[in-house]
Amino acid sequence: EAQVTQNPRYLITVTGKKLTVTCSQNMNHEYMSWYRQDPGLGLRQIYYSMNVEVTDKGDVPEGYKVSRKEKRNFPLILESPSPNQTSLYFCASTQDRGTDTQYFGPGTRLTVL
Amino acid sequence: AQSVSQHNHHVILSEAASLELGCNYSYGGTVNLFWYVQYPGQHLQLLLKYFSGDPLVKGIKGFEAEFIKSKFSFNLRKPSVQWSDTAEYFCAVNAYSSASKIIFGSGTRLSIRP
Repeated sequence: EAQVTQNPRYLITVTGKKLTVTCSQNMNHEYMSWYRQDPGLGLRQIYYSMNVEVTDKGDVPEGYKVSRKEKRNFPLILESPSPNQTSLYFCASTQDRGTDTQYFGPGTRLTVL
Repeated sequence: AQSVSQHNHHVILSEAASLELGCNYSYGGTVNLFWYVQYPGQHLQLLLKYFSGDPLVKGIKGFEAEFIKSKFSFNLRKPSVQWSDTAEYFCAVNAYSSASKIIFGSGTRLSIRP
């Protein structure tokens, strides 16, 4: 089954404690991205990757890092989380970044205390 | 800067009512347009998309959208809604000049009264 998986699905942490949210897709897609969803703001792109070792900033990259060492994986790293990073995070993948459907993961609800 | 506006933040309808959700974007060039839906507790999934050709696009579950270039709009419609259509709906736009970025609207929450 074609899918995008994320782990963990729920996470409560404290300010400053480094965390990683994993994302994996089994569709051999080249393009992957991370979004955060906040009430009234919709989805905002954090980072995207056009292929292995190729990443770039989206609209709200501050406080986040990503890596793309393998095609299927695109982890999101918060080196020093802060309460304003409390949000719902989605990973997505697509074959053609401009025209193709994006396939979304189930989301990770992060709370930073 | 490109932007996408969804002016209806929360729409409440009765079953069998007709639906139209507005979506306007700001970009003068060629665009690709999408509507995604997020059912309660689920991840986003594609409803329909427009790239070129017939400006009236039909999607899943009886939804359709019309691209009106002169109005920079891509409104979502359904002639008769069901309780199961309760969800949040997002319009998204990709501009040809920035193929790596897709801009989402803020979303419209649709509540259907049984």
